[in-house]
Amino acid sequence: NAGVIQTPRHKVTGKGQEATLWCEPISGHSAVFWYRQTIVQGLEFLTYFRNQAPIDDSGMPKERFSAQMPNQSHSTLKIQSTQPQDSAVYLCASSLDWGYEQYFGPGTRLTVL
Amino acid sequence: AQSVTQPDARVTVSEGASLQLRCKYSSSGTPYLFWYVQYPRQGLQLLLKYYSGDPVVQGVNGFEAEFSKSNSSFHLRKASVHWSDSAVYFCVLCPGTGGYKVVFGSGTRLLVSP
Repeated sequence: NAGVIQTPRHKVTGKGQEATLWCEPISGHSAVFWYRQTIVQGLEFLTYFRNQAPIDDSGMPKERFSAQMPNQSHSTLKIQSTQPQDSAVYLCASSLDWGYEQYFGPGTRLTVL
Repeated sequence: AQSVTQPDARVTVSEGASLQLRCKYSSSGTPYLFWYVQYPRQGLQLLLKYYSGDPVVQGVNGFEAEFSKSNSSFHLRKASVHWSDSAVYFCVLCPGTGGYKVVFGSGTRLLVSP
């Protein structure tokens, strides 16, 4: 079991460019979560998928952030027109189902110059 | 509303000493509770979990935690810390039945001095 895989581990973009972050959840897990971690805000919920269906995206900044889960083996978080304030570590987690412990990937550190 | 409070932002202990990291929670029902550890440039790793039953739960690497409904607490303990335990520790609450949106504590940075 390789755990949750996130790629890339580091990404540097210029202001206004697009960033796509990838997550491969643990096989057999039906729930996938995305979080953003910053020193100032701590860990923030972004979005949640269950059995590939989007359930809750209430934490997503509406205009530039989007997330998809086209199949059970991966999810993507896309940030359009990145801004310096988007710089953060983006964590993906998966669990058997809601309420169970979540397993986190190593994160993608996004730096927007 | 659900909330988790970790009152100690930083804790320093000597290697070999015992450790307690505090966690207080607020929940309308009986929550599920977790402790995670985060090492530099890594994701969160699960240390232990509490769903129900015995209030003292054992985790990895000698960690344990005790759930107290009366005190609304879920403190983490270790009898003898090692320098490799230096990391950030998060107390996490899941609302339980019907809830999926977990609540994270602000984290406690543990430094184990030689």
